Amino acid sequence: GDSVTQTEGPVTLSEGTSLTVNCSYETKQYPTLFWYVQYPGEGPQLLFKVPKANEKGSNRGFEATYNKEATSFHLQKASVQESDSAVYYCALPSGSWQLIFGSGTQLTVMP
Amino acid sequence: GALVYQYPRRTICKSGTSMRMECQAVGFQATSVAWYRQSPQKTFELIALSTVNSAIKYEQNFTQEKFPISHPNLSFSSMTVLNAYLEDRGLYLCGARRDRNTGQLYFGEGSKLTVL
Repeated sequence: GDSVTQTEGPVTLSEGTSLTVNCSYETKQYPTLFWYVQYPGEGPQLLFKVPKANEKGSNRGFEATYNKEATSFHLQKASVQESDSAVYYCALPSGSWQLIFGSGTQLTVMP
Repeated sequence: GALVYQYPRRTICKSGTSMRMECQAVGFQATSVAWYRQSPQKTFELIALSTVNSAIKYEQNFTQEKFPISHPNLSFSSMTVLNAYLEDRGLYLCGARRDRNTGQLYFGEGSKLTVL
């Protein structure tokens, strides 16, 4: 069945350093892929989505490329800020319209 | 923009009692709603998928008898946790779907259930 696997957390970085959160997926189709972010006390919100294979999505300095060959959708940011501290989820539509989430990666950025 | 509101934000209830939570979509028509439970470890479990005027589909380990859901119109859904026990604790999230083509869900802030 469809599945999503992402970097096990927690991840702690210093401000200004680079971030990579790995996400690998399994699916027989080529659906839109998502990165969601969840801040403390809030529900998950869309960071960005990429509808087509081999395209890149980005928002707020975060980016990810929908790599069909490698079945990956890794999240990257060149220089993290303290305000980026949150839990990040890779997500994949499955079946008619369910969203499958990865296990989440807790990011803490130290000033 | 698309907004989803959930109420209540948090509830503390005694073992064996029930909790009802509501989900309101504002600014768009939520033809489908997914109810999830997020564990303290932050993982998501899908409870059920609800589509207006269609049968509600429950995932394995979740039943209508335990988590009855109402989805009477395109802006509102509610779910009740009946006879709540310690294992039912968590953050219950409502994800509303606006666009049939992408699978994107718009989430509320969740209803946190604590069971004593």
